[in-house]
Amino acid sequence: QSVLTQPPSVSGAPGQRVTISCTGSSSNIGGGYDVHWYQQLPGTAPKLLIFDNSNRPSGVPDRFSGSKSGTSASLAISGLQAEDEADYYCQSFDSSLSGSVFGGGTKLTVL
Amino acid sequence: EVQLVESGGGLVQPGGSLRLSCAVSGFTFSSYAMSWVRLAPGKGLEWVSGISGGGGITYYAGPVKGRLTISRDNSKNTLYLQMNSLRAEDTAVYYCAKDVGGSYLYYFDYWGQGTLVTVSS
Repeated sequence: QSVLTQPPSVSGAPGQRVTISCTGSSSNIGGGYDVHWYQQLPGTAPKLLIFDNSNRPSGVPDRFSGSKSGTSASLAISGLQAEDEADYYCQSFDSSLSGSVFGGGTKLTVL
Repeated sequence: EVQLVESGGGLVQPGGSLRLSCAVSGFTFSSYAMSWVRLAPGKGLEWVSGISGGGGITYYAGPVKGRLTISRDNSKNTLYLQMNSLRAEDTAVYYCAKDVGGSYLYYFDYWGQGTLVTVSS
């Protein structure tokens, strides 16, 4: 069981909007630690998608957005495209474990 | 251009040892913390271990404490992961990842391509 909980899968049609949740606890997200998101395409290394809850690195389309509230965070992807089909992971720091933690990952299927 | 290149993966028997390396270029290595993250077959990303830029602070995930040791040689721009007492559940692709922080763990802005470790008899 991952410290951060994500839905195993989400899906949407091209052009639609989907959201992926990431639920933690008071020792990580709720404790004020920032949430970061990664995209991993099949057979490739993870890529930073969102940092510090809602910031996009240069080169990441503004179709991707993030938010955080309380012990949870969300990644939203609007205007879905076929190339968005990938695994998405949230990540934060956990003070009880004294280390980084990832969510279990969410597989996005573009119908 | 930032580059991280892992090596050292392979097939090892349960109880055996392996040392992974990650050679980096394109940034001031000693200024940044580094981590190892693994992806086991059919599972999600798992953070394994981290080390501060100077090497004086190390972090480990519970399942690997006492068996895996992270280290770095800033003169060689290389990160290491010494893996001992390996188990089948350590089978995974191991990625090295650059942190944006110097001493503490924040998030990872660059990743290597990964090296596969298979623990099997």
